[in-house]
Amino acid sequence: EVQLVQSGAEVKKPGESLKISCKTSGYTFTNYWIGWVRQMPGKGLEFMGVIYLRDSDTRYSPSSQGQVTISADKSISTVYLQWSSLKASDTAIYYCARRQGGNYPGGLDVWGQGTTVTVSS
Amino acid sequence: DIVMTQSPDSLAVSPGERATINCKSSQSILYNSENRNYLAWYQQKPGQPPKLLFYWASTRESGVPDRFSGSGSGTDFTLTISSLQAEDVAVYYCQQYYDILWTFGQGTRVEIK
Repeated sequence: EVQLVQSGAEVKKPGESLKISCKTSGYTFTNYWIGWVRQMPGKGLEFMGVIYLRDSDTRYSPSSQGQVTISADKSISTVYLQWSSLKASDTAIYYCARRQGGNYPGGLDVWGQGTTVTVSS
Repeated sequence: DIVMTQSPDSLAVSPGERATINCKSSQSILYNSENRNYLAWYQQKPGQPPKLLFYWASTRESGVPDRFSGSGSGTDFTLTISSLQAEDVAVYYCQQYYDILWTFGQGTRVEIK
């Protein structure tokens, strides 16, 4: 069974660092793109960035560029999203999601359960 | 960025009636050489991650009921629920993947009247 299992909820203070994870299983890790999507409380879905696991090609949305880092560890089929200095405005649910594979990759067919990040002093 | 705009923001439909959601992209997301529209639709129920309903604008994901349909091309797309059921109450999002910097519509909330 294809699964993306994300790390647990976090409560942090402004200025702290954080790294959340998305562990994948049930498929060939390197054949796919994995994206991160933010959902602020009561709001819609916002694309943050994406990584292609074959060559670690990573792209960021303009609003996420310089604010977060996306990385991967192929040895454990895990993708990460990290912050060096959190802000209260980073409070949100963060989802990882796999882009469909094949010759014509399409939508996001498998999603993690979400990681709730709360940043508060 | 490719901006995706959905309409309406919300709608209330009686059980068994049709629900129609529109999605417009700020530029064409039809890749002409493939004749594919790089658009997906998702359903998100409270407390759950989004679920893929359609990709390539009109290809239904496995397990999605056939009362759901996706259509459109170029810049204008539609998600239709032909006969709304109680379990279809959710927020629906369109997403373009023509640009590697994917973007989502703002979402449309569907409720039962």
